[in-house]
Formats: sequence, C-alpha cells, structure tokens
Amino acid sequence: NAGVTQTPKFQVLKTGQSMTLQCAQDMNHNSMYWYRQDPGMGLRLIYYSASEGTTDKGEVPNGYNVSRLNKREFSLRLESAAPSQTSVYFCASRAGDSGNTIYFGEGSWLTVV
Amino acid sequence: RKEVEQDPGPFNVPEGATVAFNCTYSNSASQSFFWYRQDCRKEPKLLMSVYSSGNEDGRFTAQLNRASQYISLLIRDSKLSDSATYLCVADYNTDKLIFGTGTRLQVFP
Repeated sequence: NAGVTQTPKFQVLKTGQSMTLQCAQDMNHNSMYWYRQDPGMGLRLIYYSASEGTTDKGEVPNGYNVSRLNKREFSLRLESAAPSQTSVYFCASRAGDSGNTIYFGEGSWLTVV
Repeated sequence: RKEVEQDPGPFNVPEGATVAFNCTYSNSASQSFFWYRQDCRKEPKLLMSVYSSGNEDGRFTAQLNRASQYISLLIRDSKLSDSATYLCVADYNTDKLIFGTGTRLQVFP
C-alpha cells in the first residue's frame, strides 16, 4: 500500500551542489505536486503537473526544475542549491478533478550548508 | 493578505474540551475545502472535506460559510491524540490547492 513514495528522506548539500528529489505514485493519479514547507509559511507550491507531459509553475518555482517522467513519476531538481532552499519537501498526487483528496509522500528533509 | 488564513495558535485545551478553529479565505471562486491534519515531522493527511451543508465525522464537525468566506472545524471531547496541526485547504478548481499555515492544537491531560 505504497501511495506516494519520495526519496531521499534526508539530505545535506553544500551550497552550489545539485540534486534530484524523486517521487512516484502508484494510484494512477493524473496530477502531481511538489511543495515545500517552512516554519510559519505553511505549504507552498513549487511546481505541479496536471498530466503526463505537462508541468506548471507554482508559487515559488525559482531555483527548481521538474520533470514528469511518466504518469507515475515526478522529480524535482535543484541545480545549484542555496541555503534558502533548506526546507521540508513534500511530493503529492491526486486524481486531478477538483474536490479529490490530495495524498502526500512522507517528506524529504533537505539542509543546504 | 494571504489567500487562506488561520490562527496559528497554539490552542491548549484539556482532555474532554470542545475546541473550534476558523479559517478565512479571500477568493470567492474557491470551489472545495478540506481540513488536513499534520503530526510533527509527518506528512499532512486528509481529516475531512467541507461541504456547504456542513458535515460531521464522529467528534469532528466542519462547516462552510460562503457569505462570510470562512470554514470552521469543531472538535468535541478532545483526546490527547488530537494534538496536531490542522491545515485549512481551499481548492480553486484549477488544479491548485491553497494551504493555510495551520493551527496547532495541544490537548493536555
């Protein structure tokens, strides 16, 4: 009963390094999302993908890129990590229609030093 | 002004108490609303959807007031296990969900 799986769970990066957060869902959902969560800021949308082959910017896209590799997978890449990108990252998915439940992965704790 | 606003709390209540949270939203185009629960260092999970007619699930009752643009969550007979952060979510029918920053509830013995 996997649901949404994201890796890695924890990562420490040096400023300027790059990395990719991986996300996969096994619920056959059309829509997938990447959020970051910071104290006092709540969940903020970085990028989303309404369907395979499409991606759109969210509220805070700068410094990130995404790839919707197929229907199951949606990756988030930091090309040149900055301390301001220290955060908890959540991948999520839902069936795509308004009103449907959104399901989250367990989160990835990223620290940039 | 944030699109979805919540009192961050914390709300500290004794076991057995009734506690209510409100959440206001600024965009009247919002179609659907939800309450999510988030435990410390965990992912958010759906608590309940919010319907115009109001809905109840055990000790939890959610209400939507479109005229005043707010939703509410009432928890009766609070349990220690209810301690968490409660996130209000507005769905604008554009495949984007707007989350509030959350209200923290601490239930003490």
